[in-house]
Amino acid sequence: DVKVTQSSRYLVKRTGEKVFLECVQDMDHENMFWYRQDPGLGLRLIYFSYDVKMKEKGDIPEGYSVSREKKERFSLILESASTNQTSMYLCASSLSGARDTQYFGPGTRLTVL
Amino acid sequence: GEDVEQSLFLSVREGDSSVINCTYTDSSSTYLYWYKQEPGAGLQLLTYIFSNMDMKQDQRLTVLLNKKDKHLSLRIADTQTGDSAIYFCAESITAGNMLTFGGGTRLMVKP
Repeated sequence: DVKVTQSSRYLVKRTGEKVFLECVQDMDHENMFWYRQDPGLGLRLIYFSYDVKMKEKGDIPEGYSVSREKKERFSLILESASTNQTSMYLCASSLSGARDTQYFGPGTRLTVL
Repeated sequence: GEDVEQSLFLSVREGDSSVINCTYTDSSSTYLYWYKQEPGAGLQLLTYIFSNMDMKQDQRLTVLLNKKDKHLSLRIADTQTGDSAIYFCAESITAGNMLTFGGGTRLMVKP
């Protein structure tokens, strides 16, 4: 079974802090994704990566950056957290190609005070 | 750009059928997906359908695709309380596997 894990289920940070959200997958997937989920807005893509050290902006990249130094790990970085980044963050991974489904981690609920 | 829309809420009685609807705007969508999210959990893939298919059945789940109207539906037969969750439809257009999600439909199953 594919397993996608995220470093924290719940996180509370203060405005201005630097925040790291980690995601690890164990199935040698090329693609990895970071989404945020907000009520009524569904999932919105922040960034994705299709290979090590490769990254592409999604729909809402502002205020975020990512790092993919190893194939199995994809990090989401909030350089200076703001209250409007309070959200549920979901990581996903998939093999290459449009037909391959994305597998999701359990999510990290981030609260920025 | 792409747009995927769903109604926010659906309530049914246990044992009834549930039908969750989704509309999308991009005619080049190749694959359409249904995901289920239970409280406090991540998204779980339920089923998907290729754009050249009209229907796909998988046990209690039936997916219908009307490509002309860009309308996708998920029917759950004999709905159970364990089916209570948020259901997301999503579309995938080209290689790279980027998905565009709808806002999710919260299904409540009353005993």
